[in-house]
Amino acid sequence: GQSLEQPSEVTAVEGAIVQINCTYQTSGFYGLSWYQQHDGGAPTFLSYNALDGLEETGRFSSFLSRSDSYGYLLLQELQMKDSASYFCAVRDWNYGGSQGNLIFGKGTKLSVKP
Amino acid sequence: GAVVSQHPSRVICKSGTSVKIECRSLDFQATTMFWYRQFPKQSLMLMATSNEGSKATYEQGVEKDKFLINHASLTLSTLTVTSAHPEDSSFYICSARPSSGRSYEQYFGPGTRLTVT
Repeated sequence: GQSLEQPSEVTAVEGAIVQINCTYQTSGFYGLSWYQQHDGGAPTFLSYNALDGLEETGRFSSFLSRSDSYGYLLLQELQMKDSASYFCAVRDWNYGGSQGNLIFGKGTKLSVKP
Repeated sequence: GAVVSQHPSRVICKSGTSVKIECRSLDFQATTMFWYRQFPKQSLMLMATSNEGSKATYEQGVEKDKFLINHASLTLSTLTVTSAHPEDSSFYICSARPSSGRSYEQYFGPGTRLTVT
């Protein structure tokens, strides 16, 4: 089966850096995605890693190590508006057709304090 | 960017009635659309994958006769919750994958909060 593990909650202060880890177990790995979801809102795409290494997009970076089945999302210069839930999601080719489908982790609730 | 809309955003219905939720890709064509269900403070659980012009593929444990999915065009998929019960109350989110473009792209609608009384 498939499973993803990520911390349930993280708290940090404005301006700080926070790292949200994700470990996964899947049979047909395509890539690891990260999504942000504010309360009551839709998940919005943050990043995608198919290969090992770091992907940087502004204040957000995402890292993947396929050999360790591990990735993380790094948020820098935290702002109050970053308070949200962050989901890692694995695309698995054994799940949901030829292009695979997203399997979501349980989410990490990030609270940014002043 | 790619936009996915859902209608309605909120709906309250009585037990035993049916509710239809629409999901539209506004500025792109989507051969494949997905329907998720999310309970409070929990993750998104895939209910079904729908491909335009063919029958939906339901995940294990999802009743296909209760959750009817129709993907009649490249920009519209509908989810009908039939004979709704209070336990069907949830946040339903659709997602669409562009027919062209990168395979990992998937855009989410704003969700529909269903409350069954």
